[in-house]
Amino acid sequence: AQSVTQPDIHITVSEGASLELRCNYSYGATPYLFWYVQSPGQGLQLLLKYFSGDTLVQGIKGFEAEFKRSQSSFNLRKPSVHWSDAAEYFCAADLEAGGTSYGKLTFGQGTILTVHP
Amino acid sequence: KAGVTQTPRYLIKTRGQQVTLSCSPISGHRSVSWYQQTPGQGLQFLFEYFSETQRNKGNFPGRFSGRQFSNSRSEMNVSTLELGDSALYLCASSLGQGSFYEQYFGPGTRLTVT
Repeated sequence: AQSVTQPDIHITVSEGASLELRCNYSYGATPYLFWYVQSPGQGLQLLLKYFSGDTLVQGIKGFEAEFKRSQSSFNLRKPSVHWSDAAEYFCAADLEAGGTSYGKLTFGQGTILTVHP
Repeated sequence: KAGVTQTPRYLIKTRGQQVTLSCSPISGHRSVSWYQQTPGQGLQFLFEYFSETQRNKGNFPGRFSGRQFSNSRSEMNVSTLELGDSALYLCASSLGQGSFYEQYFGPGTRLTVT
């Protein structure tokens, strides 16, 4: 079945350490891929997106993600985490050809990031 | 410019009642999508409206319905509420259809069914 998987439910890092959040998808082609962040009591904010082309994409707040077709992965990274990055992170995909799902994004289960001072 | 607005922010209803949630998109946005977020099932797509027409629907029972008005504002309705309908309901708006257009999410309506 077509799906998006985030293997890590909870990750804890120290402030200043590097971060990598994992995301895998199951789909016959290359989907449109997204990373969102959700802070408590807030909606989702888009960090970055990948449609095609350069497999390393830059986003807001110093985040980047790398698309790897061979591994069906789209992992999110940040070289140095700040305490304000503590939140829940969601990987999402449009699992229709050409991003034509008409609003329907399929989300992973989310990864909660805790940052220790 | 103003973001996506959802009202009310919090709601408590009793099992068997019905509820209507409202979403005002960003000015100029014509597409509105709705999602249900629960701890167990995560974020699940409910439906999407564009130009007052439902263009896509997720796998939810017919108790969940929605509509969009000519000003792009959208409402969703849940009839005969069940305990399992307790969730955060998020709406998102975008300029156009298709994932090429970024979806901007509102803060959500927290529905509790007792």
